Amino acid sequence: QSVLTQPPSASGTPGQRVTISCSGSSSNIGNNNVNWYQQLPRTAPKLLIYSNDRRPSGVPDRFSGSKSGASASLAISGLQSEDEADYYCATWDDSLNGLYVFGSGTKVTVL
Amino acid sequence: EVQLVQSGTEVKKPGESLRISCQGSGYSFTSNWIAWVRQMPGKGLEWMGTIFPGDSDTRYNPSFEGQVTISADESISSAYLQWRSLRASDTAIYYCARLNTRSYEHWGQGTLVTVSS
Repeated sequence: QSVLTQPPSASGTPGQRVTISCSGSSSNIGNNNVNWYQQLPRTAPKLLIYSNDRRPSGVPDRFSGSKSGASASLAISGLQSEDEADYYCATWDDSLNGLYVFGSGTKVTVL
Repeated sequence: EVQLVQSGTEVKKPGESLRISCQGSGYSFTSNWIAWVRQMPGKGLEWMGTIFPGDSDTRYNPSFEGQVTISADESISSAYLQWRSLRASDTAIYYCARLNTRSYEHWGQGTLVTVSS
């Protein structure tokens, strides 16, 4: 059971906007930056968003992140078929001796 | 170019020992924390622990402490994840990842470990 809660699934048609939530607490999201990872089928995770809302080089600007209080969200605008993947939020947890914690993961399906 | 290359697929029997590796290149190996992440079949990501190769400072997720050992050899730019006695429940894909700006920007390709009698 993860300390970061995500919806198990989300879906949309090509071109739509999809939003994924990540709910935590004051000891993790509330006090630390949030990162988001994309895991395409049968591949290693890839850093998608770091420090709440920053994109690494090469990540399309269709992906955006935000944080408010102890919650964060990832938005995918202009959904494309290649966005079908699992998405994980992650951050550090001060109450767990500085452990890194992942969210439970959200499967995005492109209809 | 930063790269993390992991050792290959392993098939083991319960009770056997195992060490898998992660070799870094394209950066100063001693300057960044390396973490190990478990993904059990059909499940999510779990942070197991981390090591700073520069001084071998190691931190473990309590859920994994005592079950595995994380180590590193800076002379060959490699980090390791080791088990003394494998169990069927250790069957998973294990990833190493490099910490940069408090996020894991670079990942190894993963090592599949299957434990079965």
